[in-house]
Amino acid sequence: DAGVTQSPTHLIKTRGQQVTLRCSPKSGHDTVSWYQQALGQGPQFIFQYYEEEERQRGNFPDRFSGHQFPNYSSELNVNALLLGDSALYLCASSYLGASIYEQYFGPGTRLTVT
Amino acid sequence: ELKVEQNPLFLSMQEGKNYTIYCNYSTTSDRLYWYRQDPGKSLESLFVLLSNGAVKQEGRLMASLDTKARLSTLHITAAVHDLSATYFCAVGRSEKLVFGKGTKLTVNP
Repeated sequence: DAGVTQSPTHLIKTRGQQVTLRCSPKSGHDTVSWYQQALGQGPQFIFQYYEEEERQRGNFPDRFSGHQFPNYSSELNVNALLLGDSALYLCASSYLGASIYEQYFGPGTRLTVT
Repeated sequence: ELKVEQNPLFLSMQEGKNYTIYCNYSTTSDRLYWYRQDPGKSLESLFVLLSNGAVKQEGRLMASLDTKARLSTLHITAAVHDLSATYFCAVGRSEKLVFGKGTKLTVNP
């Protein structure tokens, strides 16, 4: 059973560019959450997708947007990249109807903005 | 706004010693999670604590939850080098997780 997968693993972009990160959830999961982890910090919640809709959003600007596809996979898009967007981006999948709610994290995408 | 505070943020300990990491949170929640992160890696789930007084143990790690005090602890018994990592607590708020800043644990021979 494949766990949560993310692509690419590493990415280097220039300020002002746009980036798309991808996530495939664990089999049987229907919800995808995205987190940003800056160096030396805890992960911060960006948003969550369920049934192809954004269900919750953290305190991130509109430059951060996402999408969920019918197969439950998800994309995170970041426009007009800033140096401060350099971070590890983690995708977590979950099943909303689980009796014990848990999020399972993928390996992450390391984004460097120069 | 839910805030999660961990202490200490850095912990250097000798093999064989015991220590406790503390996690305080500011508003009520029904779920508390502990994760481990190795350098450059993702988060590995350690424990999910759901009710007041919950205690879970796995190997040399034991986690507990006091919802009235809004406090969770992660106790390390007879530390070994393999436990060196960063440990995060996270509090569930609806379906999102709010994380602490993490405790970087280094276990020295």
